[in-house]
Amino acid sequence: AQKITQTQPGMFVQEKEAVTLDCTYDTSDPSYGLFWYKQPSSGEMIFLIYQGSYDQQNATEGRYSLNFQKARKSANLVISASQLGDSAMYFCAMRVTGSNYKLTFGKGTLLTVNP
Amino acid sequence: SQTIHQWPATLVQPVGSPLSLECTVEGTSNPNLYWYRQAAGRGLQLLFYSVGIGQISSEVPQNLSASRPQDRQFILSSKKLLLSDSGFYLCAWSSRQGGNQPQHFGDGTRLSIL
Repeated sequence: AQKITQTQPGMFVQEKEAVTLDCTYDTSDPSYGLFWYKQPSSGEMIFLIYQGSYDQQNATEGRYSLNFQKARKSANLVISASQLGDSAMYFCAMRVTGSNYKLTFGKGTLLTVNP
Repeated sequence: SQTIHQWPATLVQPVGSPLSLECTVEGTSNPNLYWYRQAAGRGLQLLFYSVGIGQISSEVPQNLSASRPQDRQFILSSKKLLLSDSGFYLCAWSSRQGGNQPQHFGDGTRLSIL
C-alpha cells in the first residue's frame, strides 16, 4: 500500500525567506508521481508542482521547487522568497501508475508566513 | 480552458435528510472524476472515483453513493445523512493523458449536519 508522511504539522517562516516542507513516501512500485497542493483558508486545492519517479532533474515552477531524493523516498517542497499569500495548508500526494490516477494524500503542513 | 464547478458552497442539513452534491466539468471530455472528503484539519480521503459514465468505484464503505449520469457530471448522494457525514467535500477531475496529469479541484462544499 502507498503512504505519504508529512511530519511537520505546522511551520513558520519570515517573509522573503525560503522554507522547506517535508514529505516522505512509501511504495514498492517503481513508477509513480509526486504532487504538491496548496490549500488556502478558503478551501480550494491548488496544484503547485509535479515530480515523476523517472525524472532526472528536480522539478521547478516559479518560486516552488521539489527536492527529490529517490533513495531516501523524500520529495520536499522548497518555497523561495516567501510571501504573506503563501500562508496555507500544503499537501503532498502520490500517484502510483496503474491506479486509475488515484492520489494518496499526506495529512498536510500548515505554513504561516510572518511579516 | 477547463473548469470545474461544484455546488452548493455551503449546506446545513438535519440528520436523516437526503443529500445531493453536484459537480460538472467544462472544457474537456472523458475525464476521470473523484469525490473526496476532508475532515477538519486533516488530509483528503478519497470516497469515489469514476473512469466513465456509469462506472463508479467506492474506496470506503459509508453512507454515501455516487453517480455519473453524463460524461462531465458527478453526483454525490445520500438517502439519510448521519452526523459523521459532516465535512468538506471536494470534487476533482483529471485527464487520462498520462500519469503526470494533476487532479484539478472544485471549490468544495462545506456540509454541516445538525
